[in-house]
Amino acid sequence: AQRVTQPEKLLSVFKGAPVELKCNYSYSGSPELFWYVQYSRQRLQLLLRHISRESIKGFTADLNKGETSFHLKKPFAQEEDSAMYYCALLGYGQNFVFGPGTRLSVLP
Amino acid sequence: GAGVSQSPSNKVTEKGKDVELRCDPISGHTALYWYRQRLGQGLEFLIYFQGNSAPDKSGLPSDRFSAERTGESVSTLTIQRTQQEDSAVYLCASSLFVGVSNEKLFFGSGTQLSVL
Repeated sequence: AQRVTQPEKLLSVFKGAPVELKCNYSYSGSPELFWYVQYSRQRLQLLLRHISRESIKGFTADLNKGETSFHLKKPFAQEEDSAMYYCALLGYGQNFVFGPGTRLSVLP
Repeated sequence: GAGVSQSPSNKVTEKGKDVELRCDPISGHTALYWYRQRLGQGLEFLIYFQGNSAPDKSGLPSDRFSAERTGESVSTLTIQRTQQEDSAVYLCASSLFVGVSNEKLFFGSGTQLSVL
């Protein structure tokens, strides 16, 4: 089975605080994982992908195969980071499987 | 256009009517995906196209749902005899190739379908 879970529907942090958005997956094989973000009144867009090992807007995500996790982290949250975040997996059928999403609210 | 275009942006219909939702992907993108997002829920995969072919239709929730793509371009998602549970935002996305991990999906702004 292929599945992506994001246990937190809503996460609130204060500006400047560290943030971690959790993502766990179930997949047999070598997973390809992504984070997508949707800012208010904007389209869903790619934030980062694990294969690129990149840092975008200060966010990083490390694939932990032992824990089957791909948590998204940022050391100092900014108000403009407030958005809906989706973790996604490239599945067996070559389609992208998305998690339910976490709404991040960064408070001033 | 520069991005993925979906029409209509909003559709209100009566239970039992048929609806057609349209997606114009980015020119040259061979992969096209349809997702459904119910209120407060995540993205539910419906179907994807590689060119004009749909290798995986397993996500279509019932035989009332069908989709086609022509000219490796525009795609239409058709819902027959709509039910209230079909109310959702229907999202379309395209990418240059199918199933390539360094590809990214470009999403449309969605069609909000409301079935009364």
